[in-house]
Amino acid sequence: DQQVKQNSPSLSVQEGRISILNCDYTNSMFDYFLWYKKYPAEGPTFLISISSIKDKNEDGRFTVFLNKSAKHLSLHIVPSQPGDSAVYFCAASASGDMRFGAGTRLTVKP
Amino acid sequence: DTGVSQDPRHKITKRGQNVTFRCDPISEHNRLYWYRQTLGQGPEFLTYFQNEAQLEKSRLLSDRFSAERPKGSFSTLEIQRTEQGDSAMYLCASSRTGEREKLFFGSGTQLSVL
Repeated sequence: DQQVKQNSPSLSVQEGRISILNCDYTNSMFDYFLWYKKYPAEGPTFLISISSIKDKNEDGRFTVFLNKSAKHLSLHIVPSQPGDSAVYFCAASASGDMRFGAGTRLTVKP
Repeated sequence: DTGVSQDPRHKITKRGQNVTFRCDPISEHNRLYWYRQTLGQGPEFLTYFQNEAQLEKSRLLSDRFSAERPKGSFSTLEIQRTEQGDSAMYLCASSRTGEREKLFFGSGTQLSVL
């Protein structure tokens, strides 16, 4: 059962522009949402998170938006840099285990 | 803080053999998780420990899989009678109580079952 879905397997943007990665979830019990970033041959690394009581969280170039009514969250990266090229996983938690989306491969072109 | 360490990085085995993987979490983290990741998919939850207690197991964890964390420090994941469908990246992660959602992942063990 795919409770967390990332429908875009890949995204390509130009350096300096905005990258928007999207994620949808089905379980209304999820109360915490996260984005992880993964480089080849490494495990995922935590990037940014948001609690279900908030609708926005910002950390430098990264902002996560949560729309609970639509069960949708997005990650904005502004401005995008070539070093941001990686696979981005959306994750959601409802106490205990965490469910991950299938990932979106972001490529930032110089 | 040396990060989460997993051993081995790669394991190739024949179908029917048993394999064991080891995970050393970040020392002050009391929660430890095992995930499995196949190509094109996100990590799938297998099980997690709070100290030495195994608190939750996914239905993905068949009776051929067993995980232990005997002293609440390192953990092992054993797969008995491996099948080709077990081929995957096995990821270990750890976290602090109170920051349970912020997982720190190891680099994983890539298992290939021939």
